[in-house]
Amino acid sequence: IQLTQSPSSLSASVGDRVTITCRASQGISNYLAWYQQKPGKAPKLLIYVASTLQSGVPSRFSGSGSGTDFTLTISSLQPEDFATYYCQQVTSYPQTFGQGTKLEIK
Amino acid sequence: EVQLVQSGAEVKKPGESLKISCKGSGYSFTNYWIGWVRQMPGKGLEWMGIIYPGDSDARYNPSFQGQITMSVDKSISTAYLQWSSLKASDTAMYYCARAPSVAGAPPYYFDYWGQGTLITVSS
Repeated sequence: IQLTQSPSSLSASVGDRVTITCRASQGISNYLAWYQQKPGKAPKLLIYVASTLQSGVPSRFSGSGSGTDFTLTISSLQPEDFATYYCQQVTSYPQTFGQGTKLEIK
Repeated sequence: EVQLVQSGAEVKKPGESLKISCKGSGYSFTNYWIGWVRQMPGKGLEWMGIIYPGDSDARYNPSFQGQITMSVDKSISTAYLQWSSLKASDTAMYYCARAPSVAGAPPYYFDYWGQGTLITVSS
């Protein structure tokens, strides 16, 4: 199963609302996770089964979608949110990742 | 506190073998999958495979099958990733990560990650 994220990169300002899309090459129900990775650090789990917020993750992060189309939304960007975001399908092996979306400061 | 601590950076020559480790603590090691993820310099995340320490059930990404071997030593709560013959293209950061087990299904996510092991392969 291939995952395609869009956009590949995005410039935004603190306080903006941003949405990242992840499209699967076939239906994956809601078996999708989202991760945040900052430079030089390991990825961090944000959301699983498409819309469940991992414990400790700020509520400005939200996920939605089912089937083939999914979104990660950050309601009001904070300085610490500038990072690269990855989706991952977990419905079948290999549990592939999207190519990533780099979120940069405008 | 859940922790995954990986072995240190390695510099190897093409053709050499290597085994890196990932030691889990703060949880029941045998009840969670351990996955391995590659990140080549400046690139994205690649799912390499996953192993269940309870019974050593292992699933490999076909792209890596035959190139790597995953294993565990339950007695010391440690998972391993090994190569028998490294190539320059194996130069990358390698992460281990924990995944909660789901009955009858693949795990749903990686919730804890190691700090990464940087492998450099160069003649």
